Amino acid sequence: AQSVTQLGSHVSVSEGALVLLRCNYSSSVPPYLFWYVQYPNQGLQLLLKYTSAATLVKGINGFEAEFKKSETSFHLTKPSAHMSDAAEYFCAVNTGANSKLTFGKGITLSVRP
Amino acid sequence: DTEVTQTPKHLVMGMTNKKSLKCEQHMGHRAMYWYKQKAKKPPELMFVYSYEKLSINESVPSRFSPECPNSSLLNLHLHALQPEDSALYLCASSQDRGWAEAFFGQGTRLTVV
Repeated sequence: AQSVTQLGSHVSVSEGALVLLRCNYSSSVPPYLFWYVQYPNQGLQLLLKYTSAATLVKGINGFEAEFKKSETSFHLTKPSAHMSDAAEYFCAVNTGANSKLTFGKGITLSVRP
Repeated sequence: DTEVTQTPKHLVMGMTNKKSLKCEQHMGHRAMYWYKQKAKKPPELMFVYSYEKLSINESVPSRFSPECPNSSLLNLHLHALQPEDSALYLCASSQDRGWAEAFFGQGTRLTVV
């Protein structure tokens, strides 16, 4: 069975500080991994995805993530937080068996001025 | 065009009403999804259509009835809902492959009174 774990429910950083949002996956087969962002009262927007082409993946809005098989992790980072980054972030996994995305519980990012 | 369009954006309905949610995409995607999202929770998969056939029903109550009239349209028919069904309903589409990201609509905010 495939799943992702996002530890914690809330991360708060100062504007300009490093953003680190953690995601660990559990999958019996090589996974496809995704990070989505959701702003209040909106749908989900893809930030980036890992599909085995490269372990360091760059996404939109300055975000990137590194796939580490030895740690079963796919943490999301951004060198310098901006106020507009405040949102809910979801990690998701798909093993390709049936086009079914499984989401982590999400984490709220707050950015302090 | 990378948009998934959902209508209406907001819907208030009584427990005896019948209503429908609509979703449209013109990206040529052959997989379409309905998700339900409660506040501060991740999206929960309800249904998956693959090539216009229902491929996954996540044990959703029969008061929710999906329909895929053609490859671009997805409907969710609602009947005799309960107040606990109030949520954000998200439609998504993707290429029918595990590595493919899902594109989400803005959602319909449903309130059952």
